[in-house]
Amino acid sequence: DTGVTQSPTHLIKTRGQQVTLRCSPISGHKSVSWYQQVLGQGPQFIFQYYEKEERGRGNFPDRFSARQFPNYSSELNVNALLLGDSALYLCASSWTNQGSYEQYFGPGTRLTVT
Amino acid sequence: AQRVTQPEKLLSVFKGAPVELKCNYSYSGSPELFWYVQYSRQRLQLLLRHISRESIKGFTADLNKGETSFHLKKPFAQEEDSAMYYCALMKGSTLGRLYFGRGTQLTVWP
Repeated sequence: DTGVTQSPTHLIKTRGQQVTLRCSPISGHKSVSWYQQVLGQGPQFIFQYYEKEERGRGNFPDRFSARQFPNYSSELNVNALLLGDSALYLCASSWTNQGSYEQYFGPGTRLTVT
Repeated sequence: AQRVTQPEKLLSVFKGAPVELKCNYSYSGSPELFWYVQYSRQRLQLLLRHISRESIKGFTADLNKGETSFHLKKPFAQEEDSAMYYCALMKGSTLGRLYFGRGTQLTVWP
């Protein structure tokens, strides 16, 4: 098993543009969570999806959206990019079943907004 | 609201010395507490969780509800322990959502 995978690894966007980040969970995991990690800070929770439904949302503006597909992969979309959106975006997957909620993190996507 | 505080951004010790990474939390309910570690050029990974009450790589952490702390300890640090350590909290009502501290960069000198 290769673990959680994310694509792309890096990308550079201009202010005002839109970006889509992708995440494939570990096989068998049905929950995907997204985190934003700004330089020098710990990861901050953005979204959680379980069984293709949004189960939680952090304190982020509506420019941030996500979805989960039938194969449990997920996409994070950010519209109208701001310089402050520059960060490492982490995806984590878990089984989420009666306490088996240990989260396994992907390598992240480094987004730079210029 | 919940908050996780790691007061030390950087911590340096010599090999063989004891190490303690501090973590304090604020949450009115009963949280789950975790320590995550990120070694150089590797992804974030779980080190230990308080409900397991186990020692991983010689590290232990005890949840002190009175002091709302979950400090990570190791009696004899090794060079390979050098990494970024994050304390994280999960609320029982929102499984799957982790709230992280800002992290402590541990450097173990030879």
